[in-house]
Amino acid sequence: QVHLVQSGAEVKKSGSSVKVSCKAYGGGFRSYVINWVRQAPGQGLEWMGGIIPMFGTEKYAQKFEDRVTITADESIDSVFMDLSGLTRDDTAVYYCARGVDWDTGMGDWGQGTLVTVSS
Amino acid sequence: QSVLTQPPTASGTPGQRVTISCSGSRSNIGTNSVYWYQQFPGTAPKLLIYSDNRRPSGVPGRFSGSKSGTSASLAISGLQSEDEADYYCATWDDSLNGAMFGGGTKLTVL
Repeated sequence: QVHLVQSGAEVKKSGSSVKVSCKAYGGGFRSYVINWVRQAPGQGLEWMGGIIPMFGTEKYAQKFEDRVTITADESIDSVFMDLSGLTRDDTAVYYCARGVDWDTGMGDWGQGTLVTVSS
Repeated sequence: QSVLTQPPTASGTPGQRVTISCSGSRSNIGTNSVYWYQQFPGTAPKLLIYSDNRRPSGVPGRFSGSKSGTSASLAISGLQSEDEADYYCATWDDSLNGAMFGGGTKLTVL
């Protein structure tokens, strides 16, 4: 079973960008979908997009497609989520989560990365 | 506002059976499998139900899922205090070409 480990908490200024990483331990990375899901304080889960590292295939939620870029580096079993144009509304915990395919459930989750955006 | 509609809260007493609904449309629940996640405060979500009604290894049999048309439900029988958590339904939407979650239901065990 894969173990997803994310990078640490970030504090960013409005207008800047943040890059969060997700490293897979234990295999089962390249051919799976690595999704990014965020959760604002006291709010629900929101899918942002994902990537299949083996093929480089990306999909993004319409809400984020202008601001988010998801990339993968197979050599280090890692996926990265880059979110630009940060506002205070982007303050949230960001999770990576693995799925077998785009339309399947996410069975393995990272521990989450808190991104705080200040003005 | 989520495309998938869940009641914001639900409650029950120990031993009771509780159901949480999730309403969608033809392009999401009506076409694709439904998944349910359980989340405790400060922790990552955990997959509870996949493919509408299947349980991952380790999930107690008290949890069950069902789907009919464009709606789905999560049932918890023999409610226990440790079931107090937030529950989210999720699926894929063919029109939006993306995954989506319901707004979540906070379950309280009285």
